[in-house]
Amino acid sequence: GAGVSQSPSNKVTEKGKDVELRCDPISGHTALYWYRQSLGQGLEFLIYFQGNSAPDKSGLPSDRFSAERTGGSVSTLTIQRTQQEDSAVYLCASSHLGGTVAGYNEQFFGPGTRLTVL
Amino acid sequence: GDSVTQMEGPVTLSEEAFLTINCTYTATGYPSLFWYVQYPGEGLQLLLKATKADDKGSNKGFEATYRKETTSFHLEKGSVQVSDSAVYFCALSGSGAGSYQLTFGKGTKLSVIP
Repeated sequence: GAGVSQSPSNKVTEKGKDVELRCDPISGHTALYWYRQSLGQGLEFLIYFQGNSAPDKSGLPSDRFSAERTGGSVSTLTIQRTQQEDSAVYLCASSHLGGTVAGYNEQFFGPGTRLTVL
Repeated sequence: GDSVTQMEGPVTLSEEAFLTINCTYTATGYPSLFWYVQYPGEGLQLLLKATKADDKGSNKGFEATYRKETTSFHLEKGSVQVSDSAVYFCALSGSGAGSYQLTFGKGTKLSVIP
């Protein structure tokens, strides 16, 4: 089956504009994760969804960042009033189960969206 | 909180050379440990994992052993190939229910030259 897909693959925007990044997880995966990969910070966890609920939003760097997931499938990460420090690759991952059981459920990653804020 | 420290790159090796990428971690309890690889232009892929002390993860000729006494999970390969050129990330997932996020090291870029 298809893997995790993300769109767009590249996004260039001007400072102050809003952007939406999309993630299509693997069909049937109940858990979905967003990470950010930047030169200075490495890979950072942003937010986790179990179904449509986000029990942990602690990784979101500011209130300009928000995310939603609908139908237990597609997720959108929205960044409002973008700043240059938001420039990074945004990675989405999904897994069959999330944190509802002890132990690890392998996360499958998408190719990422490279965001450049001018 | 949890953290992962891995050796900084870039690392450049000749084909058939021996590879070691060091990784140490800080975590409470008994985390699971992973190596992910990111080939140029591609997403992260799980390379290998170990879920308890003394476990050895292995895949594609790569190996790593979960050493709780030294809190380490060093990646090794006996003979690297040009196709192994990629960025390698060490990561952990905390133990217990509710442990879902991965904590990553900063990545080590490996270049293998013919």
